[in-house]
Amino acid sequence: AQRVTQPEKLLSVFKGAPVELKCNYSYSGSPELFWYVQYSRQRLQLLLRHISRESIKGFTADLNKGETSFHLKKPFAQEEDSAMYYCALRTGGAQKLVFGQGTRLTINP
Amino acid sequence: EAGVAQSPRYKIIEKRQSVAFWCNPISGHATLYWYQQILGQGPKLLIQFQNNGVVDDSQLPKDRFSAERLKGVDSTLKIQPAKLEDSAVYLCASSHLLGADIQYFGAGTRLSVL
Repeated sequence: AQRVTQPEKLLSVFKGAPVELKCNYSYSGSPELFWYVQYSRQRLQLLLRHISRESIKGFTADLNKGETSFHLKKPFAQEEDSAMYYCALRTGGAQKLVFGQGTRLTINP
Repeated sequence: EAGVAQSPRYKIIEKRQSVAFWCNPISGHATLYWYQQILGQGPKLLIQFQNNGVVDDSQLPKDRFSAERLKGVDSTLKIQPAKLEDSAVYLCASSHLLGADIQYFGAGTRLSVL
């Protein structure tokens, strides 16, 4: 079965420090990986997807098939990055998204 | 463009009662999803429609949950009878193409079953 694991429920870093939110997935085929974000009092929204290979709000994520990981990184955290982050997997056959349990990121001033 | 609309925002019911949630997707989006998000967990897909047909309802507890999208636009999710463990946020999302595009989420309905 497809599964997404985000090992950290909570992550707290200081402003200006690097951030890495971990995501590991379980799937034997070719996955599509996404990061969704939910800011306080806002809707869940797409942050980035691996097929785009782009940087959004300074965040990047690289799909590592060997380690089955899709970690989210930002070199210098900003206070507005504080939010709930969800890693999600979409497989080739099934079209649905499988979400991890989420990581609450807090950026301290 | 207007986003995904959901109502009500909050609902409190007693166990064994019934409840219904409504969702209106973004105009032109053929695919509509209902997710259940229990506190402390990520969203879990309950049912997926393309137009008015069901694509995936493998995780929908069909003994108590039902959903419809009769005209291929808005959708209703119903729980009858509700159990304590149904307390969750129910999210609706829509996308333009089946499995090929970004999902846009509504604000959700927070259900408390007492």
